Amino acid sequence: AQKVTQAQTEISVVEKEDVTLDCVYETRDTTYYLFWYKQPPSGELVFLIRRNSFDEQNEISGRYSWNFQKSTSSFNFTITASQVVDSAVYFCALRGRSSGSARQLTFGSGTQLTVLP
Amino acid sequence: DTGVSQNPRHKITKRGQNVTFRCDPISEHNRLYWYRQTLGQGPEFLTYFQNEAQLEKSRLLSDRFSAERPKGSFSTLEIQRTEQGDSAMYLCASSLDVGARGGYTFGSGTRLTVV
Repeated sequence: AQKVTQAQTEISVVEKEDVTLDCVYETRDTTYYLFWYKQPPSGELVFLIRRNSFDEQNEISGRYSWNFQKSTSSFNFTITASQVVDSAVYFCALRGRSSGSARQLTFGSGTQLTVLP
Repeated sequence: DTGVSQNPRHKITKRGQNVTFRCDPISEHNRLYWYRQTLGQGPEFLTYFQNEAQLEKSRLLSDRFSAERPKGSFSTLEIQRTEQGDSAMYLCASSLDVGARGGYTFGSGTRLTVV
């Protein structure tokens, strides 16, 4: 069984603050893939990043950065210098490689981020 | 091709009625997925197609639900004898391969309200 936990239900920050969204996952697969998606009020899930379990390098893309730590089963997402347009629900998701998990994403319950002007 | 298209965007139906949703994936994507999202929750997997073959179905997909992808292009999801518990956002996604190196591309969803 796979599980993704996003313990932070809601976070509010003031514009230009840095914010970290936590993601903890559980899987028995030795190879797996982790994703982050953004869901703005329009409802469409926007792909942000895909990370393989065998690649523990952290990644930075503009104001976004991701910290993957296999030892603690965490894949945290940091937004630097947040902007009002970053306000959305953010989902962490997991896809395994074993039968029954290889073709589906298991999502966390999401974190609602509100960036105040 | 601008992305995954879903129709209708919103559907209100009376309990007991049948509803059908349509998904048009990105044209070169041969993998197609349906998810259901209830308020305050993440999406939950319903079913997966590779071309026209339905290869996986979740236990969430009761016998009132049926999905098709007749020519390996667009897909339909039908719910028969709708119940209030079926009220949710139904999301469609597609990918070029099951590994989804570029991520799964999601549509904007169909929001179903059963009254």
